[in-house]
Amino acid sequence: ETGVTQTPRHLVMGMTNKKSLKCEQHLGHNAMYWYKQSAKKPLELMFVYNFKEQTENNSVPSRFSPECPNSSHLFLHLHTLQPEDSALYLCASSLGQGARSFGSGTRLTVV
Amino acid sequence: TQLLEQSPQFLSIQEGENLTVYCNSSSVFSSLQWYRQEPGEGPVLLVTVVTGGEVKKLKRLTFQFGDARKDSSLHITAAQPGDTGLYLCAGGSGSARQLTFGSGTQLTVLP
Repeated sequence: ETGVTQTPRHLVMGMTNKKSLKCEQHLGHNAMYWYKQSAKKPLELMFVYNFKEQTENNSVPSRFSPECPNSSHLFLHLHTLQPEDSALYLCASSLGQGARSFGSGTRLTVV
Repeated sequence: TQLLEQSPQFLSIQEGENLTVYCNSSSVFSSLQWYRQEPGEGPVLLVTVVTGGEVKKLKRLTFQFGDARKDSSLHITAAQPGDTGLYLCAGGSGSARQLTFGSGTQLTVLP
């Protein structure tokens, strides 16, 4: 148990669907992150929130839309995704720039 | 852009053998973290090293940070099947707010 909970664990969606990924941390951390993990590629940082304010957006397509209502919750809203967006999406949190505590991820398949 | 290269990409060994995996960069990092990721889970932090030349031991795992803080190694003694997983290194820079992750070494320890 890492203190970071992600739901759902698995998601299959069509290219015209709209879905959301949820992340919740119980560690009192002030920063939250979304990462994309694809086969044979390094972890790709997507978004960073610090005290619920977005501080990084690494050129992520607009079909991915993050939302951070407070320091403990983070969402990733998905719409009109492409098959190449299939990957493991990991949420993480940290205290400042410290080590990341990761959730178990959502395995996303776009069909 | 800071890059971290990990080698080997894949490693399969028998239980009881020793192994070393490497994490190299042309960039200097202020800290270096090692994570292990098991199938279906997110990465879990193993150690953080911050001083050039630093050596840290965690039971059968020995981590070393290079003198110039550009590289690191992880040595496992008498590997066990429970050591199986994806080992990721991640470099932190004082001027950047994000970690740079390597692409990982997939270790399989056969019983």
